[in-house]
Amino acid sequence: KAGVTQTPRYLIKTRGQQVTLSCSPISGHRSVSWYQQTPGQGLQFLFEYFSETQRNKGNFPGRFSGRQFSNSRSEMNVSTLELGDSALYLCASSLDVTGGGGTEAFFGQGTRLTVV
Amino acid sequence: AQSVTQLDSHVSVSEGTPVLLRCNYSSSYSPSLFWYVQHPNKGLQLLLKYTSAATLVKGINGFEAEFKKSETSFHLTKPSAHMSDAAEYFCVVSDLYNTGKLIFGQGTTLQVKP
Repeated sequence: KAGVTQTPRYLIKTRGQQVTLSCSPISGHRSVSWYQQTPGQGLQFLFEYFSETQRNKGNFPGRFSGRQFSNSRSEMNVSTLELGDSALYLCASSLDVTGGGGTEAFFGQGTRLTVV
Repeated sequence: AQSVTQLDSHVSVSEGTPVLLRCNYSSSYSPSLFWYVQHPNKGLQLLLKYTSAATLVKGINGFEAEFKKSETSFHLTKPSAHMSDAAEYFCVVSDLYNTGKLIFGQGTTLQVKP
């Protein structure tokens, strides 16, 4: 069974540009969530999608957005990149059969974004 | 609101000795708790989970954790450390009020000395 796949693995972008990251969840999983990992702030929740609907959003500016497609694949977009957006972005998928959360999440290897 | 606190940012043990990584949680209700491990430049791997069944939870690679409600703790242990256990470990609680959201502790770096 294939795991969570994130593409690309590495990205270098210039300040002011925008970027799109992709996440393919484990087959059958309906919940996809995104996290930002930095040395200073640790792992912070960005947002979570369930059956194409954003169910929750963390405390990030509106430059951070996402969406989920009917096949549960998800994309995350960051516009007007800032140096502080440099981080490892992790995607996770959960089976969440009942839609009530609380189930374990399976993580991809992440996309390392460097903003210069 | 739920939260987790990992009591040690760095733990160093010798190979073959026991491992103890400490985690305290705060939750209004019986939480879902997890331990994840992250090896350098890798994603997060689930070690074990507690979801209100048995209080002693066994995970992969010989790790286990005990849920103690009276102490609000969920410490991770392993009887004998292996060099391959060197990694960062995260104690995680599922947010009861924000479905699908996980709340991470700050992480504990485990160093294993030969």
